[in-house]
Amino acid sequence: GAGVSQTPSNKVTEKGKYVELRCDPISGHTALYWYRQSLGQGPEFLIYFQGTGAADDSGLPNDRFFAVRPEGSVSTLKIQRTERGDSAVYLCASSLGAAAPETQYFGPGTRLLVL
Amino acid sequence: QKEVEQNSGPLSVPEGAIASLNCTYSDRGSQSFFWYRQYSGKSPELIMSIYSNGDKEDGRFTAQLNKASQYVSLLIRDSQPSDSATYLCAVKPRNTGKLIFGQGTTLQVKP
Repeated sequence: GAGVSQTPSNKVTEKGKYVELRCDPISGHTALYWYRQSLGQGPEFLIYFQGTGAADDSGLPNDRFFAVRPEGSVSTLKIQRTERGDSAVYLCASSLGAAAPETQYFGPGTRLLVL
Repeated sequence: QKEVEQNSGPLSVPEGAIASLNCTYSDRGSQSFFWYRQYSGKSPELIMSIYSNGDKEDGRFTAQLNKASQYVSLLIRDSQPSDSATYLCAVKPRNTGKLIFGQGTTLQVKP
């Protein structure tokens, strides 16, 4: 079956601009996660949703970052006033539920470059 | 102290040897432990999960968990050049769905 999909695969923007990154989880998965990964580092947790609600947004670095999942399926990560330090690969993952032992399956990521 | 620590490597082993990858974690309440493999430019792919103390084997892979020592390891037997990748240790703390990742260990298997 189809895996997690993310669009766009690459995004180049200028400092100060607004960007939206989209994630389409595996069908039937109720939990959806956003991570970001910088070069040479492991993924860093940002936020996760159980259904439509954000269950844990403790990883969002500041109020420029916001994510929504209005219908409990597709999610959008929104970054306002982008900064060069936001450049990274943004990974989305989904799982059947958020409790152990559910496996998180990752999408291919969106590579964001802020010039 | 980082929440999940791994030696970044690279760890270089000859083809056919056993590769041993290690990870320590700081949250004693952590419940679930995962090893992901990540090829360059690709997303992480789950290869093993372990939840209780001891060993868990799956083909050429064995995960080991010691909660008292807060230590997780991954053994890869009969290493192949196709195993060359970055291996990420991930820990799920109690009462949350998020994963905390280490920085990853780069494994190079030389023919």
